[in-house]
Amino acid sequence: DAGITQSPRHKVTETGTPVTLRCHQTENHRYMYWYRQDPGHGLRLIHYSYGVKDTDKGEVSDGYSVSRSKTEDFLLTLESATSSQTSVYFCAISEGGANYGYTFGSGTRLTVV
Amino acid sequence: AQSVTQLGSHVSVSEGALVLLRCNYSSSVPPYLFWYVQYPNQGLQLLLKYTSAATLVKGINGFEAEFKKSETSFHLTKPSAHMSDAAEYFCAVSDGAGGYNKLIFGAGTRLAVHP
Repeated sequence: DAGITQSPRHKVTETGTPVTLRCHQTENHRYMYWYRQDPGHGLRLIHYSYGVKDTDKGEVSDGYSVSRSKTEDFLLTLESATSSQTSVYFCAISEGGANYGYTFGSGTRLTVV
Repeated sequence: AQSVTQLGSHVSVSEGALVLLRCNYSSSVPPYLFWYVQYPNQGLQLLLKYTSAATLVKGINGFEAEFKKSETSFHLTKPSAHMSDAAEYFCAVSDGAGGYNKLIFGAGTRLAVHP
């Protein structure tokens, strides 16, 4: 399996607190993505990165920020968690962009109470 | 803009029966199309992908999909379902060319396989 790990795997947090999710890869892939998965919506793109310090917004980026200071790490921060951000978050990596397909992490289940 | 529609959020088949999961896409450029499978509490795994080399694409676990441009479809099939095929399946389309593109996913189809 491709080396991509997400941490934590599960987290419960309170409304209004900041939360950071980590995606770590050992494949040296240039492209990294954060998606959220919700029933009936499939996966929706939050943010993506095409290199160190190069990031851009996806379709559901409000309330989220990202950082990529090293090739291997892509961090997703919920600045002030809300109940609508309760979801399963997936990180994905790609060697050459979406046309190559993605490799996904195992996901982080986040509950905001 | 690119988009994907998966017809049927739930599909139920008997073990040994044909599996047919439907996907229609909309794309302003020649599409790259994908099927992913997600088993419970796991991430998504690539089943197969279409990249214009051949219209009939074979994937893992006996699945295949046929690209039909005239119907803008990329339906997933398997001749004989196994219990282990029970999972959620996602169709996806790339939103463009080059490295800055992303995958756009459908809402998913949950496949149940009954004995």
